[in-house]
Amino acid sequence: EPEVTQTPSHQVTQMGQEVILRCVPISNHLYFYWYRQILGQKVEFLVSFYNNEISEKSEIFDDQFSVERPDGSNFTLKIRSTKLEDSAMYFCASMRATRTPLHFGNGTRLTVT
Amino acid sequence: AQSVTQPDIHITVSEGASLELRCNYSYGATPYLFWYVQSPGQGLQLLLKYFSGDTLVQGIKGFEAEFKRSQSSFNLRKPSVHWSDAAEYFCAVAFNTGGFKTIFGAGTRLFVKA
Repeated sequence: EPEVTQTPSHQVTQMGQEVILRCVPISNHLYFYWYRQILGQKVEFLVSFYNNEISEKSEIFDDQFSVERPDGSNFTLKIRSTKLEDSAMYFCASMRATRTPLHFGNGTRLTVT
Repeated sequence: AQSVTQPDIHITVSEGASLELRCNYSYGATPYLFWYVQSPGQGLQLLLKYFSGDTLVQGIKGFEAEFKRSQSSFNLRKPSVHWSDAAEYFCAVAFNTGGFKTIFGAGTRLFVKA
């Protein structure tokens, strides 16, 4: 069964550094998402992306965050200048169409020191 | 505003006992409802979904959930819990806001005792 894949599985970075989290959604999916889960807390919506543009973003997704679909397969989340509070598990998800469920990757654990 | 509430932070049941995890949502129209399960260090796996039709839906691993519009609820049930069911369970609701967004409840951690 096709899967959403995320790399790396764990990223450690210093405060103020830029990080790029990478995702390869399922190939025939059209809707792409990033979610964040701080340790022990709920899964929070960050951003949705459709037709090569952001559909919606949460208040968490400020100017330090950006997303890109640079080619037909990858979907990236960039954090320009990381803060300690950005430490979390970041999940990429994709969806074939509306009214279908999200498929999640296994996440990238980001640790900012 | 749309929201999902899971009132139980954690639940402990004995292996072989029945299970019910509660979920309430707030949304003005008919929601699309989901239950996901997350094992430690893993992503979220879809257990079941409700879009329309029969309000009792069956999912994987022997789980089922019932949509009750009058109570704005979508509770997850399993008649006999196995030790491998110990995990975090998330209720989610999806809706159209220009984009199509899914939001999650805070999760219920299930502990299974022998």
